[in-house]
Amino acid sequence: EAGVTQSPTHLIKTRGQQATLRCSPISGHTSVYWYQQALGLGLQFLLWYDEGEERNRGNFPPRFSGRQFPNYSSELNVNALELEDSALYLCASSFQSVEQYFGPGTRLTVT
Amino acid sequence: QKEVEQDPGPLSVPEGAIVSLNCTYSNSAFQYFMWYRQYSRKGPELLMYTYSSGNKEDGRFTAQVDKSSKYISLFIRDSQPSDSATYLCAMTSYGGATNKLIFGTGTLLAVQP
Repeated sequence: EAGVTQSPTHLIKTRGQQATLRCSPISGHTSVYWYQQALGLGLQFLLWYDEGEERNRGNFPPRFSGRQFPNYSSELNVNALELEDSALYLCASSFQSVEQYFGPGTRLTVT
Repeated sequence: QKEVEQDPGPLSVPEGAIVSLNCTYSNSAFQYFMWYRQYSRKGPELLMYTYSSGNKEDGRFTAQVDKSSKYISLFIRDSQPSDSATYLCAMTSYGGATNKLIFGTGTLLAVQP
């Protein structure tokens, strides 16, 4: 069974630009979570989508947004990129369970 | 004060040693306690999770939770070089408005052959 997939693997953007990151959950999973893993800060919760709806968001500014599509895949958008947005962005999926399974991540570099 | 504290290490042990990894937390609402392993440039991999207090064993791994002390541990027996990775504790209250995981910053473990 395929795991969580994320694209692209790496993304390089300039300050002020927009970034779009994509995530496909494990087949049958309806919840998608986004986390940011910045150097020295550990994983920080960004967003939770379930059944197409945003259920909860972490302590991040509104320029971090996303959506979940009818096939349960998800997209994370980061507008007006800042240097401190450089991080590994991880997507996880689950189905009515506390267990969250992570993808390999997208490494975003803002220059 | 962070909700979850974890010693960042690095921790270096010889092959075959018993490894003890620990986290403390401050939020008494946490009910589920997880351990993830993250290899360099990879996503975290769920090792095991425990509900409330108690022990859970899976092969060479044992997780312990002491809710009265707000302290959790992961023990690795007969450690192998392939166990070299960053170990992340995570916890959640689960259910209701949020299922988010709160992570420690991770402990870097190196098992020397």
